[in-house]
Amino acid sequence: DGGITQSPKYLFRKEGQNVTLSCEQNLNHDAMYWYRQDPGQGLRLIYYSQIVNDFQKGDIAEGYSVSREKKESFPLTVTSAQKNPTAFYLCASSIGTDSWRYGYTFGSGTRLTVV
Amino acid sequence: AQSVTQLDSQVPVFEEAPVELRCNYSSSVSVYLFWYVQYPNQGLQLLLKYLSGSTLVKGINGFEAEFNKSQTSFHLRKPSVHISDTAEYFCAVSDPNAGNNRKLIWGLGTSLAVNP
Repeated sequence: DGGITQSPKYLFRKEGQNVTLSCEQNLNHDAMYWYRQDPGQGLRLIYYSQIVNDFQKGDIAEGYSVSREKKESFPLTVTSAQKNPTAFYLCASSIGTDSWRYGYTFGSGTRLTVV
Repeated sequence: AQSVTQLDSQVPVFEEAPVELRCNYSSSVSVYLFWYVQYPNQGLQLLLKYLSGSTLVKGINGFEAEFNKSQTSFHLRKPSVHISDTAEYFCAVSDPNAGNNRKLIWGLGTSLAVNP
């Protein structure tokens, strides 16, 4: 079955460490997105990519980095510059340039906790 | 800029009762509208969407929503809820001013709690 796989489901990080969250899709979707979810704050866009080797900052990109070397993969690195990284992270994908017509497909999320 | 308001952060309801989750958006230009559901510790799943045509949209799990252009609303309804409908529900709207960088604008969510 096609879908989006996020790993790991739970991740613990020590302060000052970088961590990378994995997101892989086999839907042949062009666009991919990373969201951060905190209680009561809805979904906030971190980064998005509409094509391989290109990505744009979202609303809260500071302290995060991404790469898009393959169509199927869009990993997110949470750097030590992110002061409050504890959150639920969601990856999503959508079809092509008209992605807003079709909505997004989401992964099951990664819960990151700083210890 | 486009914005989305979900008018209720929490909605408690008894099982088998009807429910309405309210969503308003700010722009009166043509938009696309979506409702998503999120069960605990999971990703979001598309419930239904409005692109054009009939203003009453039917989705999965017995949910439906009505697009009202004059009131810029897209309320979600279900005539009889089940315990399994307990989840977070998100309304989203397309951003018509985003040009080539189109992306969805999200509401803050409504937590639906169905009690026996």
